[in-house]
Amino acid sequence: EAQVTQNPRYLITVTGKKLTVTCSQNMNHEYMSWYRQDPGLGLRQIYYSMNVEVTDKGDVPEGYKVSRKEKRNFPLILESPSPNQTSLYFCASSLSRDRDNEQFFGPGTRLTVL
Amino acid sequence: EDQVTQSPEALRLQEGESSSLNCSYTVSGLRGLFWYRQDPGKGPEFLFTLYSAGEEKEKERLKATLTKKESFLHITAPKPEDSATYLCAVPGSYNTDKLIFGTGTRLQVFP
Repeated sequence: EAQVTQNPRYLITVTGKKLTVTCSQNMNHEYMSWYRQDPGLGLRQIYYSMNVEVTDKGDVPEGYKVSRKEKRNFPLILESPSPNQTSLYFCASSLSRDRDNEQFFGPGTRLTVL
Repeated sequence: EDQVTQSPEALRLQEGESSSLNCSYTVSGLRGLFWYRQDPGKGPEFLFTLYSAGEEKEKERLKATLTKKESFLHITAPKPEDSATYLCAVPGSYNTDKLIFGTGTRLQVFP
């Protein structure tokens, strides 16, 4: 089954404790992206990757890191999480960098930083 | 500045009561407008892509239309299972690799 998976689905952590949210897709997609979703603000893009070893900042990259060492995986790293990073996070992928391609979204990761 | 605005924020309909959701955008050189449906606690699910003014696409009770400044999602005779948040998104003007989302319209359809 074609899908985007994220782990963990739920995470409660404390300020400053490094964490990684994994994202994997099995569709051989080139383009992958991370979003955060907050009430009243909608979905905002954090980082995106057009292919292996190619990443770029979205609209809200501060406090986040990403890597794309393999085509299928695109982990999101919070080196020193803070309470304002409490949010619902989505990973997405699409076939290519051509923005005409629909994006497939993962199920989301709900992160709480205390 | 690139911007996507959706209205209304929330919409309550009786089953069978048709209505429209609006998505207005300010980007240069539109390269597609996307509509997504999002159920509570889930990731957005793709519905349509529209590319040029005058284009229309349909799926069951949903029809999406596009003009030069806005898109409409028409819902005909909605059912309770159409209840969801509907999101629209466009690629950015200067960086088309970025996708800009509106804040969505939360639709509730009551039997």
